[in-house]
Amino acid sequence: QVQLVQSGPEVKKPGASVKVSCKASGYTFTSAGINWVRQAPGPGLEWMGWISTYTGNTNYAQKFQGRVTMTTDTSTSTAYMEVTGLRFDDTAVYYCARDYYGSNEYWGQGTLVTVSS
Amino acid sequence: EIVLTQSPGTLSLSPGERATLSCRASQSVSSSYLAWYQQKPGQAPRLLIYGASRRATGIPDRFSGSGSGTDFTLSISRLEPEDFAVYYCQQYGSSPYTFGQGTKLEIK
Repeated sequence: QVQLVQSGPEVKKPGASVKVSCKASGYTFTSAGINWVRQAPGPGLEWMGWISTYTGNTNYAQKFQGRVTMTTDTSTSTAYMEVTGLRFDDTAVYYCARDYYGSNEYWGQGTLVTVSS
Repeated sequence: EIVLTQSPGTLSLSPGERATLSCRASQSVSSSYLAWYQQKPGQAPRLLIYGASRRATGIPDRFSGSGSGTDFTLSISRLEPEDFAVYYCQQYGSSPYTFGQGTKLEIK
C-alpha cells in the first residue's frame, strides 16, 4: 500500500534552517509528484509547492520563493523540503502528499516544526 | 491568487441527517480543479473528492461533490458518527493552490 513516512519533530531557533524528509513506498516514486502543505496551530492548510519526482522541476508558492527548496532522491524514493531563515510563524505541521493531478491523494503523517528561542 | 471561502464556519447536525457544505471561489476555478478533504484531530487530511465531483478511492458514495466555476458543494447524504470532522476545499487550477479556511461539522 502507498505510504509516505516523514522525519520526526524538530525544534529550531529563529534564523535557522530545517530539512524535512518524506520517504515513499508502495508505488513507483517517479510516477507522481510530491506536494508540500503546512498547517499552523489551529485549523487552516497552506500549499507550499510541488516537485516533479521525474524531472526535479519545482513550482513554489510565491510566498515561499527564496526560502524553500524542494528536492528528491530517486535512489531512496525520498523527497525533501528545506526551509531557511525560520521565523516564529513558521511553527507548523509540515505534510508531504502524493500529487494526483494537482490534488493530494496520499499524505504523510506530518512533521511538527517548532521555532522557539 | 484565488481565495476560497467556505460556509458555514460550523455546521451542527445529527447522525442520519444530510450535510451541505459550500466553497466559493474569488474567481473561476479552471477545469473544475477543485478537491475536498476531511481532517480529524491529530490526523492528516484525507482526500474525498477531486475534479469537483469524482470520489477518491475508497470513499463511500454518501459523499458527493458538485459545482463549477466559482461555486462548489460537498454533500454528505446520511451522516455517520465518523463523518464529524473539519472539511476543506482546495483549488489546484491556478498556482498557488489555495485552501479554504474549513468547515467544522459537529454533532448536534
